[in-house]
Amino acid sequence: GDSVTQMEGPVTLSEEAFLTINCTYTATGYPSLFWYVQYPGEGLQLLLKATKADDKGSNKGFEATYRKETTSFHLEKGSVQVSDSAVYFCALSDPRDTGRRALTFGSGTRLQVQP
Amino acid sequence: KAGVTQTPRYLIKTRGQQVTLSCSPISGHRSVSWYQQTPGQGLQFLFEYFSETQRNKGNFPGRFSGRQFSNSRSEMNVSTLELGDSALYLCASSPTSGEADTQYFGPGTRLTVL
Repeated sequence: GDSVTQMEGPVTLSEEAFLTINCTYTATGYPSLFWYVQYPGEGLQLLLKATKADDKGSNKGFEATYRKETTSFHLEKGSVQVSDSAVYFCALSDPRDTGRRALTFGSGTRLQVQP
Repeated sequence: KAGVTQTPRYLIKTRGQQVTLSCSPISGHRSVSWYQQTPGQGLQFLFEYFSETQRNKGNFPGRFSGRQFSNSRSEMNVSTLELGDSALYLCASSPTSGEADTQYFGPGTRLTVL
């Protein structure tokens, strides 16, 4: 079945450092890929998405490129802030059956940004 | 547009009881999905409803059930609660067309089973 693998956390960075959170996936076909962020005590917020190979999703300074050849969707940000401290989830949605909505999530990566 | 809302936000129950959680999707969204989030198992898909019909179901026991109403609001029910049911239950809604593969989540209901 489909699966998503994320790098283990926590990732601890100083403010203004460069961020990369790795995400690779296994899926039959061409899934849509997502990054969600979860702040303490809250639900998931959609951060960005990409629906086909070489698409780049971007939002709030975060970017991720859909790499079909390496089955990856790594999250990057050029300069992190303390307010970016949260848990980040990579997820995929299998578009083969458009009548079924079930996201497959990675295990999440906790990011801690220190001032 | 208002986002996905879930009630209650927090709930404490004892083993053997049953519980009902409620979710109101974003206006115009007809698909509602439910997920369970625990530290050990992560985020797991429970089920999805569309136009009052369950279209998809995850690998959970029959104690977990749900339904959807004609206004797209959804409820999930857990009967005979077990300690392991303690979790954050998240509801998500999706549009019918356009970005139909994108799910928007509510704040969740934190269930504690004692």
